[in-house]
Amino acid sequence: QSALTQPASVSGSPGQSITISCTGTSSDVGGHNSVSWYQQLPGKAPKVIIYDVSNRPSGVSNRFSGSKSGNTASLTISGLQAEDEADYYCNSYTTNNKPNYVFGTGTKVTVL
Amino acid sequence: EVQLVQSGAEVKKPGESLKISCKGSGYDFTTYWIGWVRQMPGEGLEWMGIMFPAQSHTRYSPSFQGQVTISADKSINTAYLQWGSLKASDTAIYYCAIARDGTYVWDYWGQGTLVTVSS
Repeated sequence: QSALTQPASVSGSPGQSITISCTGTSSDVGGHNSVSWYQQLPGKAPKVIIYDVSNRPSGVSNRFSGSKSGNTASLTISGLQAEDEADYYCNSYTTNNKPNYVFGTGTKVTVL
Repeated sequence: EVQLVQSGAEVKKPGESLKISCKGSGYDFTTYWIGWVRQMPGEGLEWMGIMFPAQSHTRYSPSFQGQVTISADKSINTAYLQWGSLKASDTAIYYCAIARDGTYVWDYWGQGTLVTVSS
């Protein structure tokens, strides 16, 4: 099972909006509404910020939003802040291979 | 409060065996899947395998099948990741995470265990 495809890096100035894409296939992203997004701050464990494509866990800023079109999911960060500088990973359920989950390649977000 | 507390950092030599742990608290251990994720130095996240402790049902990624063993002791709410013979390429941070059965979101994560394999 190949990893889902994300851009290696995305950058933006404070206050701007950025979008990170996550491209898979009909066996994963396109076939299930199970995409979740994880933020990994430097030296920390991942933390879920979006689940089931577009839902935010309690306590996560509403500056984070998710969507999906076909085989591509997207994470948008609005009103970019310095504290958003981190690595972001998408994850999807997949019917392609065990253990039935696949991560994206990861995107480094830099706040200019 | 849900917590996953992993065992401490390990330094091992190639060929040695190792078992690291992930102890859960604050939730029903039998209603959640538990997964193990590898993060090699400077690299991304990779699924190694997942387990449903209530039924000892385990799914391994093909890349890790036969290389590691995932197990759990329900009596002490603890999951394990085990190697029989470590290689230098096993040097990584290993995370455990949990997802409620019937959902697809890995809600909670352990703090990670750094495993260093060097001669």
